[in-house]
Amino acid sequence: GENVEQHPSTLSVQEGDSAVIKCTYSDSASNYFPWYKQELGKGPQLIIDIRSNVGEKKDQRIAVTLNKTAKHFSLHITETQPEDSAVYFCAANPYDKVIFGPGTSLSVIP
Amino acid sequence: DVKVTQSSRYLVKRTGEKVFLECVQDMDHENMFWYRQDPGLGLRLIYFSYDVKMKEKGDIPEGYSVSREKKERFSLILESASTNQTSMYLCASSFVTGSPLHFGNGTRLTVT
Repeated sequence: GENVEQHPSTLSVQEGDSAVIKCTYSDSASNYFPWYKQELGKGPQLIIDIRSNVGEKKDQRIAVTLNKTAKHFSLHITETQPEDSAVYFCAANPYDKVIFGPGTSLSVIP
Repeated sequence: DVKVTQSSRYLVKRTGEKVFLECVQDMDHENMFWYRQDPGLGLRLIYFSYDVKMKEKGDIPEGYSVSREKKERFSLILESASTNQTSMYLCASSFVTGSPLHFGNGTRLTVT
Protein backbone atom coordinates (compact mmCIF):
# COMPACT_ATOMS: atom_id res chain seq x y z
CA GLY A 1 0.00 0.00 0.00
CA GLU A 2 0.88 3.68 -0.12
CA ASN A 3 3.52 4.98 2.29
CA VAL A 4 4.08 8.70 2.82
CA GLU A 5 7.21 9.97 4.54
CA GLN A 6 7.60 13.54 5.74
CA HIS A 7 10.60 15.58 6.90
CA PRO A 8 11.48 17.28 9.14
CA SER A 9 9.33 16.27 12.09
CA THR A 10 9.96 19.63 13.77
CA LEU A 11 10.99 22.96 12.27
CA SER A 12 11.72 26.30 13.93
CA VAL A 13 12.17 29.46 11.86
CA GLN A 14 12.44 33.15 12.58
CA GLU A 15 9.49 35.29 11.61
CA GLY A 16 9.91 36.41 8.01
CA ASP A 17 12.08 33.46 6.99
CA SER A 18 10.96 30.66 4.68
CA ALA A 19 9.95 27.14 5.72
CA VAL A 20 10.16 24.01 3.56
CA ILE A 21 8.59 20.64 4.33
CA LYS A 22 9.33 17.64 2.14
CA CYS A 23 7.36 14.46 1.49
CA THR A 24 7.85 11.30 -0.52
CA TYR A 25 5.29 8.73 -1.58
CA SER A 26 5.57 5.18 -2.83
CA ASP A 27 2.47 4.35 -4.92
CA SER A 28 2.66 5.65 -8.49
CA ALA A 29 -1.15 5.44 -8.61
CA SER A 30 -1.35 8.49 -6.33
CA ASN A 31 -2.53 11.47 -8.34
CA TYR A 32 -3.70 13.99 -5.75
CA PHE A 33 -1.49 15.55 -3.07
CA PRO A 34 -3.13 17.79 -0.46
CA TRP A 35 -1.51 19.64 2.42
CA TYR A 36 -3.31 20.20 5.70
CA LYS A 37 -2.65 22.53 8.62
CA GLN A 38 -3.74 21.55 12.11
CA GLU A 39 -3.97 24.17 14.82
CA LEU A 40 -4.19 23.23 18.48
CA GLY A 41 -7.57 21.75 19.41
CA LYS A 42 -8.85 21.65 15.85
CA GLY A 43 -9.10 19.18 13.01
CA PRO A 44 -6.73 19.49 10.02
CA GLN A 45 -7.72 22.03 7.37
CA LEU A 46 -6.72 22.01 3.71
CA ILE A 47 -4.30 24.81 2.80
CA ILE A 48 -3.24 23.84 -0.72
CA ASP A 49 -3.32 20.82 -3.02
CA ILE A 50 -1.76 19.73 -6.29
CA ARG A 51 -2.68 17.13 -8.88
CA SER A 52 -0.27 14.92 -10.76
CA ASN A 53 -0.63 16.78 -14.07
CA VAL A 54 0.82 19.97 -12.52
CA GLY A 55 4.39 20.59 -11.35
CA GLU A 56 3.85 23.64 -9.16
CA LYS A 57 1.03 25.62 -7.59
CA LYS A 58 1.11 28.84 -5.61
CA ASP A 59 -1.38 30.61 -3.36
CA GLN A 60 -0.06 33.85 -1.88
CA ARG A 61 2.72 32.88 0.57
CA ILE A 62 2.26 29.12 0.10
CA ALA A 63 3.52 27.02 -2.79
CA VAL A 64 3.68 23.31 -3.48
CA THR A 65 5.94 21.51 -5.95
CA LEU A 66 5.60 17.99 -7.29
CA ASN A 67 8.20 15.75 -8.92
CA LYS A 68 6.32 12.67 -10.14
CA THR A 69 9.42 10.92 -11.41
CA ALA A 70 11.12 11.06 -8.04
CA LYS A 71 7.82 10.74 -6.12
CA HIS A 72 8.60 13.89 -4.13
CA PHE A 73 6.43 16.84 -3.22
CA SER A 74 7.19 19.85 -1.04
CA LEU A 75 5.45 22.71 0.76
CA HIS A 76 7.08 26.13 0.75
CA ILE A 77 5.93 28.92 3.07
CA THR A 78 7.52 32.33 2.51
CA GLU A 79 7.57 35.35 4.85
CA THR A 80 6.46 33.19 7.78
CA GLN A 81 4.28 34.73 10.48
CA PRO A 82 3.53 33.57 14.05
CA GLU A 83 0.07 32.39 12.94
CA ASP A 84 1.78 29.89 10.63
CA SER A 85 2.81 27.94 13.75
CA ALA A 86 0.94 24.62 13.58
CA VAL A 87 1.33 20.97 12.58
CA TYR A 88 1.42 20.40 8.82
CA PHE A 89 0.52 17.12 7.14
CA CYS A 90 1.16 16.04 3.59
CA ALA A 91 -1.01 13.35 2.04
CA ALA A 92 -1.30 11.18 -1.06
CA ASN A 93 -4.48 9.86 -2.60
CA PRO A 94 -4.15 6.50 -4.36
CA TYR A 95 -7.56 5.18 -5.45
CA ASP A 96 -10.14 5.67 -2.66
CA LYS A 97 -7.81 6.25 0.27
CA VAL A 98 -6.07 9.34 1.60
CA ILE A 99 -2.78 8.43 3.30
CA PHE A 100 -1.06 10.99 5.51
CA GLY A 101 2.54 11.62 6.43
CA PRO A 102 3.49 11.74 10.13
CA GLY A 103 3.38 15.54 10.32
CA THR A 104 5.75 18.48 10.82
CA SER A 105 5.44 20.76 13.83
CA LEU A 106 6.34 24.28 12.65
CA SER A 107 7.21 27.00 15.15
CA VAL A 108 7.62 30.58 13.93
CA ILE A 109 9.62 32.62 16.44
CA PRO A 110 8.66 36.32 16.59
CA ASP B 1 -19.29 26.03 4.47
CA VAL B 2 -18.93 22.30 5.12
CA LYS B 3 -19.47 21.27 8.67
CA VAL B 4 -18.37 17.94 10.12
CA THR B 5 -19.61 17.45 13.65
CA GLN B 6 -18.29 14.86 16.07
CA SER B 7 -20.69 14.25 18.91
CA SER B 8 -18.19 14.28 21.78
CA ARG B 9 -15.03 16.28 22.32
CA TYR B 10 -13.80 14.13 25.20
CA LEU B 11 -14.76 10.60 26.26
CA VAL B 12 -13.54 8.43 29.12
CA LYS B 13 -14.45 4.75 28.96
CA ARG B 14 -13.48 1.62 30.82
CA THR B 15 -11.71 -1.38 29.33
CA GLY B 16 -14.20 -3.78 27.77
CA GLU B 17 -16.94 -1.20 27.20
CA LYS B 18 -18.60 -0.85 23.82
CA VAL B 19 -17.95 2.67 22.53
CA PHE B 20 -19.75 4.61 19.83
CA LEU B 21 -18.20 7.66 18.16
CA GLU B 22 -20.65 9.59 16.03
CA CYS B 23 -19.96 11.87 13.07
CA VAL B 24 -22.37 13.91 10.97
CA GLN B 25 -21.67 16.00 7.86
CA ASP B 26 -24.04 18.54 6.37
CA MET B 27 -22.89 18.83 2.75
CA ASP B 28 -24.20 15.67 1.11
CA HIS B 29 -20.68 14.28 0.72
CA GLU B 30 -20.30 10.78 -0.72
CA ASN B 31 -17.17 9.74 1.18
CA MET B 32 -16.60 9.58 4.90
CA PHE B 33 -13.50 8.53 6.83
CA TRP B 34 -12.35 7.69 10.34
CA TYR B 35 -8.73 8.33 11.34
CA ARG B 36 -6.89 8.05 14.60
CA GLN B 37 -4.12 10.50 15.43
CA ASP B 38 -1.20 9.59 17.66
CA PRO B 39 2.00 11.59 18.28
CA GLY B 40 4.72 10.75 15.79
CA LEU B 41 2.40 8.52 13.75
CA GLY B 42 0.27 11.13 12.04
CA LEU B 43 -3.23 10.22 10.92
CA ARG B 44 -3.89 6.56 10.30
CA LEU B 45 -6.95 5.42 8.37
CA ILE B 46 -9.25 3.07 10.27
CA TYR B 47 -12.27 2.71 7.95
CA PHE B 48 -13.86 4.65 5.15
CA SER B 49 -17.13 4.61 3.25
CA TYR B 50 -17.96 5.84 -0.22
CA ASP B 51 -21.69 5.13 -0.09
CA VAL B 52 -24.50 4.38 2.32
CA LYS B 53 -24.17 0.90 3.82
CA MET B 54 -20.76 0.53 2.17
CA LYS B 55 -17.54 0.29 4.18
CA GLU B 56 -13.92 -0.40 3.41
CA LYS B 57 -11.09 -1.27 5.78
CA GLY B 58 -8.30 1.21 6.11
CA ASP B 59 -4.81 0.48 7.39
CA ILE B 60 -5.67 -0.26 11.04
CA PRO B 61 -9.21 -1.71 11.23
CA GLU B 62 -8.54 -4.28 13.95
CA GLY B 63 -10.74 -3.74 17.01
CA TYR B 64 -13.06 -1.33 15.19
CA SER B 65 -16.20 -1.49 13.10
CA VAL B 66 -18.31 1.17 11.40
CA SER B 67 -21.88 1.87 10.46
CA ARG B 68 -23.28 4.11 7.74
CA GLU B 69 -27.05 3.82 7.68
CA LYS B 70 -27.58 7.34 6.34
CA LYS B 71 -25.43 9.35 3.96
CA GLU B 72 -24.72 12.11 6.45
CA ARG B 73 -23.80 9.91 9.42
CA PHE B 74 -20.78 7.65 9.93
CA SER B 75 -20.28 5.90 13.25
CA LEU B 76 -17.13 4.28 14.59
CA ILE B 77 -17.64 1.41 17.03
CA LEU B 78 -15.13 -0.02 19.44
CA GLU B 79 -16.61 -3.43 20.23
CA SER B 80 -14.56 -3.92 23.41
CA ALA B 81 -12.44 -0.91 24.25
CA SER B 82 -8.83 -1.50 25.22
CA THR B 83 -6.20 0.86 26.64
CA ASN B 84 -4.26 0.86 23.36
CA GLN B 85 -7.27 2.51 21.72
CA THR B 86 -6.71 5.65 23.80
CA SER B 87 -6.22 8.25 21.08
CA MET B 88 -7.60 11.24 19.18
CA TYR B 89 -10.22 10.16 16.65
CA LEU B 90 -10.91 12.33 13.62
CA CYS B 91 -13.84 12.04 11.24
CA ALA B 92 -13.68 13.50 7.74
CA SER B 93 -15.81 13.72 4.64
CA SER B 94 -15.19 14.51 0.97
CA PHE B 95 -17.42 15.20 -1.99
CA VAL B 96 -15.86 12.53 -4.20
CA THR B 97 -12.58 10.60 -4.39
CA GLY B 98 -9.71 12.99 -5.07
CA SER B 99 -11.39 16.01 -3.52
CA PRO B 100 -10.36 17.72 -0.26
CA LEU B 101 -11.18 16.20 3.10
CA HIS B 102 -13.18 18.23 5.62
CA PHE B 103 -12.45 17.25 9.20
CA GLY B 104 -14.32 17.46 12.46
CA ASN B 105 -12.50 18.78 15.53
CA GLY B 106 -11.89 15.31 16.90
CA THR B 107 -12.87 13.16 19.88
CA ARG B 108 -10.20 12.50 22.47
CA LEU B 109 -10.93 9.05 23.84
CA THR B 110 -9.31 7.75 27.01
CA VAL B 111 -9.74 4.09 27.92
CA THR B 112 -8.86 3.25 31.51
